[in-house]
Amino acid sequence: QKEVEQNSGPLSVPEGAIASLNCTYSDRGSQSFFWYRQYSGKSPELIMSIYSNGDKEDGRFTAQLNKASQYVSLLIRDSQPSDSATYLCAVILTGTASKLTFGTGTRLQVTL
Amino acid sequence: GAGVSQSPSNKVTEKGKDVELRCDPISGHTALYWYRQSLGQGLEFLIYFQGNSAPDKSGLPSDRFSAERTGGSVSTLTIQRTQQEDSAVYLCASSLADSQYFGPGTRLLVL
Repeated sequence: QKEVEQNSGPLSVPEGAIASLNCTYSDRGSQSFFWYRQYSGKSPELIMSIYSNGDKEDGRFTAQLNKASQYVSLLIRDSQPSDSATYLCAVILTGTASKLTFGTGTRLQVTL
Repeated sequence: GAGVSQSPSNKVTEKGKDVELRCDPISGHTALYWYRQSLGQGLEFLIYFQGNSAPDKSGLPSDRFSAERTGGSVSTLTIQRTQQEDSAVYLCASSLADSQYFGPGTRLLVL
């Protein structure tokens, strides 16, 4: 079992719809979770961090964390073509200091 | 303010040569990380610095890889006797707390 798992996609959503990106992790003790966006040929850009169970909203983005189910998700409301990118889930696993362990990413395509 | 900067942005080298990659973190960030992203692969942790010390070097793939950080700021990643499998994008990130901010990366191609 991979430590951080994401569906590779592509996930295709029409413009204006809600995109839902999911991530599961294996380490029950993990406390810190991050979503990064990576455009093709560019470096990852931090979108959200989340540490507590529940929802955290920032503009059109909502991160959701459920530690009991070892599941973290990212919702993108009113999806725009400019949101088309690969979304990386990253977790700080127990005992790994601040090292990020990344999923392989989900490619999102927002269609006109 | 200025973000993380890395140089060179691209490096082409011949197999067997040594290369040095440089990272300049965000001013005031005490932690610095090196990751590697190979074509079609995920991001792979290499090494982590807190100040000038490296408490976690567990991701360095072989003893051909080394890194140092001086003055709590700039870091260099050195790859000796490069191999074709070293071809990748080398990414540096810095942080003050948990959130890590990435530089633009150095694309290394070993011929």
